Amino acid sequence: ETGVTQSPTHLIKTRGQQVTLRCSSQSGHNTVSWYQQALGQGPQFIFQYYREEENGRGNFPPRFSGLQFPNYSSELNVNALELDDSALYLCASSSDRGSNTGELFFGEGSRLTVL
Amino acid sequence: SQQGEEDPQALSIQEGENATMNCSYKTSINNLQWYRQNSGRGLVHLILIRSNEREKHSGRLRVTLDTSKKSSSLLITASRAADTASYFCATDDQSGSARQLTFGSGTQLTVLP
Repeated sequence: ETGVTQSPTHLIKTRGQQVTLRCSSQSGHNTVSWYQQALGQGPQFIFQYYREEENGRGNFPPRFSGLQFPNYSSELNVNALELDDSALYLCASSSDRGSNTGELFFGEGSRLTVL
Repeated sequence: SQQGEEDPQALSIQEGENATMNCSYKTSINNLQWYRQNSGRGLVHLILIRSNEREKHSGRLRVTLDTSKKSSSLLITASRAADTASYFCATDDQSGSARQLTFGSGTQLTVLP
């Protein structure tokens, strides 16, 4: 167990709705990354937060947004949901930006289904 | 887009046999990591190999890296039914400001008892 917790574990939304996913990082970790994993695919990087600021973004539209709080927990918000947003959303924490990406500690994910 | 591509996509072996999975990638990397994922669960880090390393061991795991061929392999020796999972390679590919990993599409390993 990594110590990274995500909520909710499962949720169902309809097209056009908005969703907020939450993540508590492992103790001592100041960097949180979010990944989207479609069924049968590897995770794809959405964005990363370091010290409450977005530190980099993958190829995702602006309707994907996030926050990091002073305690390093984080939220992922998705507006105007589309069917293709159905996926497992994974949060990963790490201890420092550093010069290289070391080991990421993943939560169990939030399974989003958009109908 | 996927950086790494694992081969094979699916692998089925008997308990006690060795399992070998391969990963190819496209750009220069700082390091390459392997992760394991049980069905529908989070990813668990297995091993990290740096770009200046050629081989690394951890328990029953052996990872090799060939940067000239942009490829890596993961060997699991004496496999167990509990090793059944998806295995992903991920690269830290020196691009962008964020310390992101780029994952492959994974190998689904089934170990039959």
